[in-house]
Amino acid sequence: EAGVTQSPTHLIKTRGQQVTLRCSPISGHTSVYWYQQALGLGLQFLLWYDEGEERNRGNFPPRFSGRQFPNYSSELNVNALELEDSALYLCASSRGMTGANVLTFGAGSRLTVL
Amino acid sequence: AQKVTQAQTEISVVEKEDVTLDCVYETRDTTYYLFWYKQPPSGELVFLIRRNSFDEQNEISGRYSWNFQKSTSSFNFTITASQVVDSAVYFCALSEASNAGNMLTFGGGTRLMVKP
Repeated sequence: EAGVTQSPTHLIKTRGQQVTLRCSPISGHTSVYWYQQALGLGLQFLLWYDEGEERNRGNFPPRFSGRQFPNYSSELNVNALELEDSALYLCASSRGMTGANVLTFGAGSRLTVL
Repeated sequence: AQKVTQAQTEISVVEKEDVTLDCVYETRDTTYYLFWYKQPPSGELVFLIRRNSFDEQNEISGRYSWNFQKSTSSFNFTITASQVVDSAVYFCALSEASNAGNMLTFGGGTRLMVKP
């Protein structure tokens, strides 16, 4: 069974640019979660999608957005990039919507903003 | 609001030593779930264990063991006879049943370095 896949693995952008990160969940998983892991800030919850809908978002500005497609894959978009957006962006998927479900994580997309 | 604290930011041991990673949590929910994940240098978080708040049984899996104590709100992780391959960052996390979905609140992580 393929795991959670993310692309691209690494990318470099400059301030003010826009970036799109992609995530394919495990087959059968309908929920997709995005987390940001910035240096010194730990893992912060960004967004949760299930069945194509945004279900919850963390404490991030509106320039962080995303969507989930009918095949349950997901995109994370970040507009007007700032230096502090440099981080590892991790996507995770789960089969259900309860707190008991285990999140399976991808290897992440490492974004560097210059 | 929920909170997870991993007071040890970095631990260094020599191979074959036992090591315990501490995790303390805060929650108002009576039903919640605790997790440990391992993050090797590759970046991917690897699931190790899940515990629900009603199950205080300790668990052992090979060289890994977990001690869950509700009385002290702790969920500690012990590696017996550590190996170099155990070197990674370990995260403790919490999710509350009252919240829809599974938004995990993570601790700050403990970087474990096992030297040969």
